[in-house]
Amino acid sequence: SYVLTQPPSVSVAPGKTARITCGGNNIGSISVHWYQQRPGQAPVLVVYDDSDRPSGIPERFSGSNSGNTATLTISRVEAGDEADYYCQVWDSSSDHRVFGGGTKLTVL
Amino acid sequence: QVQLQESGPGLVKPSETLSLTCTVSGGSVSSGSYYWSWIRQPPGKGLEWIGYIYYSGSTNYNPSVKSRVTISVDTSKNQFSLKVSSVTAADTAVYYCAREGSSSWFLDYWGQGTLVTVSS
Repeated sequence: SYVLTQPPSVSVAPGKTARITCGGNNIGSISVHWYQQRPGQAPVLVVYDDSDRPSGIPERFSGSNSGNTATLTISRVEAGDEADYYCQVWDSSSDHRVFGGGTKLTVL
Repeated sequence: QVQLQESGPGLVKPSETLSLTCTVSGGSVSSGSYYWSWIRQPPGKGLEWIGYIYYSGSTNYNPSVKSRVTISVDTSKNQFSLKVSSVTAADTAVYYCAREGSSSWFLDYWGQGTLVTVSS
């Protein structure tokens, strides 16, 4: 089955840029989706299809995907961005949905 | 606005069957445009996709739980359900229901989640 690898944690100062990676075999050839999960809350979709944003998601959230790594970039980080972030893909060979292990974003 | 709401017992005994229902409002489980999914999250851990059901009744499950899981749909009540048999402490988790576009493969609407604890 397809495996997605995320760093357990990323730290960033307010106002700076955070980059959260999601590694997978030739992940650049498939669509990657990203979710934000604040403590005690359900996940929220923040980026879909590598780089598209649902309505209501700030432009500060962006995504890219190439080669073996997809990246979620959060610009001008705010305290409210502190959360767990998960990448997710569709494994077409099995029709299964796969999540990465999650990355805890800490705003210093 | 689509809303999903999980319901069911918060405590299940080991070896018994966990049963949860997701009630959908603002949308229809009979729509051929969506899959209806279950995801779980053990305390302090990451998200695990359990499986989905399509309005036609077709399903697909995560191999890690496939032998113990059944997802069904009740179009008359606009609900879909999850059953996990022979539960153990490892099934203790927050269980989420969610909607996925049938040609998008991302989960755009989620329920608030419900904690199910497996304990005697």
